[in-house]
Amino acid sequence: AQSVTQPDARVTVSEGASLQLRCKYSYSGTPYLFWYVQYPRQGLQLLLKYYSGDPVVQGVNGFEAEFSKSNSSFHLRKASVHWSDSAVYFCVLSDSNYQLIWGSGTKLIIKP
Amino acid sequence: EAAVTQSPRNKVAVTGGKVTLSCNQTNNHNNMYWYRQDTGHGLRLIHYSYGAGSTEKGDIPDGYKASRPSQENFSLILELATPSQTSVYFCASGDGGLGDYAEQFFGPGTRLTVL
Repeated sequence: AQSVTQPDARVTVSEGASLQLRCKYSYSGTPYLFWYVQYPRQGLQLLLKYYSGDPVVQGVNGFEAEFSKSNSSFHLRKASVHWSDSAVYFCVLSDSNYQLIWGSGTKLIIKP
Repeated sequence: EAAVTQSPRNKVAVTGGKVTLSCNQTNNHNNMYWYRQDTGHGLRLIHYSYGAGSTEKGDIPDGYKASRPSQENFSLILELATPSQTSVYFCASGDGGLGDYAEQFFGPGTRLTVL
């Protein structure tokens, strides 16, 4: 069955520290993967996307993600977080019917 | 300028009442989607549409109907609202394909409370 798992419901990091948000997927075909971000009381915005090629993809605001077929993972990273990065981050898989399968989200909390 | 808009942004309804949530997109996308978002869950697909006149059931369609009268507009209808339908509802549009076409563009959401 197709699924996306974000094992951490909540992650707390200090401002200026590095960040990794974990995402594991289950999909038999070629995965099309996204990270979306939801800032407080706002809609959803695309952070980055992966379809093929270089497994490390760059997104907006210094975010990047690394695709690993062997680990079925698509982890999100940032070298140095800012307080404005506080948000909920969703890992998303596009299935063969072009529907989006969503992870449950990880809430990122930035400590001053 | 916002390409996907939703109205109303907030709605309080009574149990058993009828609720209509509206969505408009100016992206000229063929596909439109209605999701709900609840704490502890990602977005869950309620209904979607491939174009004007078409509606399809998503993963959790029970208690909801949808209407797509035009390319631009897609409505979600709760004929008999229940408290379990209290949630935040998101509308999205997209081309519905592979690669770049898989991306969806979201509206700001509607917060619905059913008392």
